[in-house]
This record gives sequence, structure tokens and C-alpha cells, in this order.
Amino acid sequence: DFQMTQSPSTLSASVGDRVTITCRASESVNTWLAWYQQKPGKAPKLLIYKASNLESGVPSRFSGSGSGTEFTLTISSLLPDDFATYYCQQYNTYSGTFGQGTKVEVK
Amino acid sequence: EVQLVEAGGGLVQPGGSLRLSCAASGLSVSSNYMTWVRQAPGKGLEWVAVIYSGGTTFYADPVKGRFTISRDNSKNTLYLQMNGLRVEDTAVYFCARGRDIAVRGTPPYFDYWGQGTLVTVSS
Repeated sequence: DFQMTQSPSTLSASVGDRVTITCRASESVNTWLAWYQQKPGKAPKLLIYKASNLESGVPSRFSGSGSGTEFTLTISSLLPDDFATYYCQQYNTYSGTFGQGTKVEVK
Repeated sequence: EVQLVEAGGGLVQPGGSLRLSCAASGLSVSSNYMTWVRQAPGKGLEWVAVIYSGGTTFYADPVKGRFTISRDNSKNTLYLQMNGLRVEDTAVYFCARGRDIAVRGTPPYFDYWGQGTLVTVSS
């Protein structure tokens, strides 16, 4: 089975911190990877597509990098609005697998 | 402004059926990769089904043969017919617009989402 593994599962951070979330694919997905932010009770919001492209309207403190099997989402300086759960999704294969999520919580 | 509004969720017994709808405004369901994505309570996201602009449909393995995605272009509405429901189908079902795909036969990534509708399968 194709798998996307995010780490860490939970991340405790403070406002102003630099935060990095990793997503690893069980096989290469080239750069066909997206990142989403989800807050409780809300729909996900697209942040990054094709591994490193910032979605229109998303603040520039968010950035994505990587290719093949390893990807990162970085928040350069955490703001209060950024405490949420983040998901990666590969769309290179039929399964369209999401990672299990990384919850960014207040330290 | 794009709006996707889901309806039709509820409580259904195992083996039962339910039809979800997603009324779209600000985009045409016939011109986009329209999809359903679900999220079990407290769990992650799972792509369920997609319909391409040409009408071709694809399904995730867990729902293949039980769920059917369709659209009514005149009503600009997307549907998900769910038959043979199982306890493990319990989830919030989101309607989402897919912006692009990698290759034909794969699901897209998603840029517009509805608010979701809860489906509970329980006896």
C-alpha cells in the first residue's frame, strides 16, 4: 500500500518559532504534493501545491520544498492563527494518499 | 466567489443507502474535477471519488462498487450515491474542486471545499 508518513504527529511551538513538518512518501511522487491546513470543525485550506508553489492569498511565511519521497512544510515565524493541523497529500498515484496529519499546538 | 454547499448527510443503518448533494456556485461542476473527500471522526482525510469534466469517474478502493459520483449540469450540482454503507463509512463528507491532476486516472489536489456533511452509519 502507498503510504505518506508525516512527522512529527504533534508539534508544540510558540508564537514566533520557525516550524518544519516533514512528509515522506513510500515511493517517489515527483513533485506532485500538496499541503493543507485544517482547523477544528472546518474544511481544509490549500497552502502549497506541486511541492513548492504557494497558493494565492496564503502568507509568504509558509513555504514548501522537496521532491521524490521527502518533503517539508516550513512556517518561518509562527503566528497565533497558525495553530492547526497540517496534512500533506500526494496526487501522483491513484490512491491520492494524505498523510496522517501534524497538529501544531501551543507550547 | 466559489461556494460549495453539501447536504444529505444523516444517520443510516449498516447496509443502507444515502445520497449526498453538493450545490455549486461560482464555478461549473461540468468544467472541473469535482470530488468527494471524507474524514472519519478524529481521523485524517481520505479521497473518495472524482468526476472529470469529460464525465469519467474514478473511485478509491474502499468505496469502489458501492458509491457512485455523478453531476447534474443543469442544476450545477454534484452527487454521491452511497449504497451498502458500512460502519467504517462514518465520516464528514466534503465536496471539493480539484484544480489539477498529475496524470489521467489520478485524483487532483483540492482548492475549494464545502463545509462538509456528516454521515453516521450505525445500528
